[in-house]
Amino acid sequence: GNSVTQMEGPVTLSEEAFLTINCTYTATGYPSLFWYVQYPGEGLQLLLKATKADDKGSNKGFEATYRKETTSFHLEKGSVQVSDSAVYFCALRRASQGNLIFGKGTKLSVKP
Amino acid sequence: KAGVTQTPRYLIKTRGQQVTLSCSPISGHRSVSWYQQTPGQGLQFLFEYFSETQRNKGNFPGRFSGRQFSNSRSEMNVSTLELGDSALYLCASSPEGTVNSRQETQYFGPGTRLLVL
Repeated sequence: GNSVTQMEGPVTLSEEAFLTINCTYTATGYPSLFWYVQYPGEGLQLLLKATKADDKGSNKGFEATYRKETTSFHLEKGSVQVSDSAVYFCALRRASQGNLIFGKGTKLSVKP
Repeated sequence: KAGVTQTPRYLIKTRGQQVTLSCSPISGHRSVSWYQQTPGQGLQFLFEYFSETQRNKGNFPGRFSGRQFSNSRSEMNVSTLELGDSALYLCASSPEGTVNSRQETQYFGPGTRLLVL
């Protein structure tokens, strides 16, 4: 079946450190891929997305590239800030089903 | 445009009661989906509505039901509440109108936090 696997957290980094959160997926066809972010006490916010192979999504300094050959969509940021502390979810969505399938989430804490 | 709104934001119920949660999608969005978020199970899909019809359903018992109105607003109902139903319930809307557009972005509301005692 379809699934998303992302690295377990929590991840703790110092401010200005480089961030990578790994995400791999299993799905037939060509799903759309998403990263959502959830701040404490809030719903999910779309961070970035990619809809086809080799697409790069980017937003607020975060980037992720849709790699069909490795079925991956790793999230990266060159220099994290304290305000990036949140839980990050990788997700896929296939047209035939319509619902999002989420990874378990990775909690990021950035220390000043 | 206003975002997805959900009411109420917080709710406390006791076992055996029923509850109704409401969701208003972004204006012009026709698809509404519901998800349950718990620390143990993560984010799980409940159901999806499009043009007042349930289009897809997750693996939840029949105590969980929903509906969509002609203005795309949606409600979900949980009957005979159990302790394990305590969760954050998230509603998401997307604009799609065609089968292929079901891969579009879903935009989430702030959620309704339900506590069952």
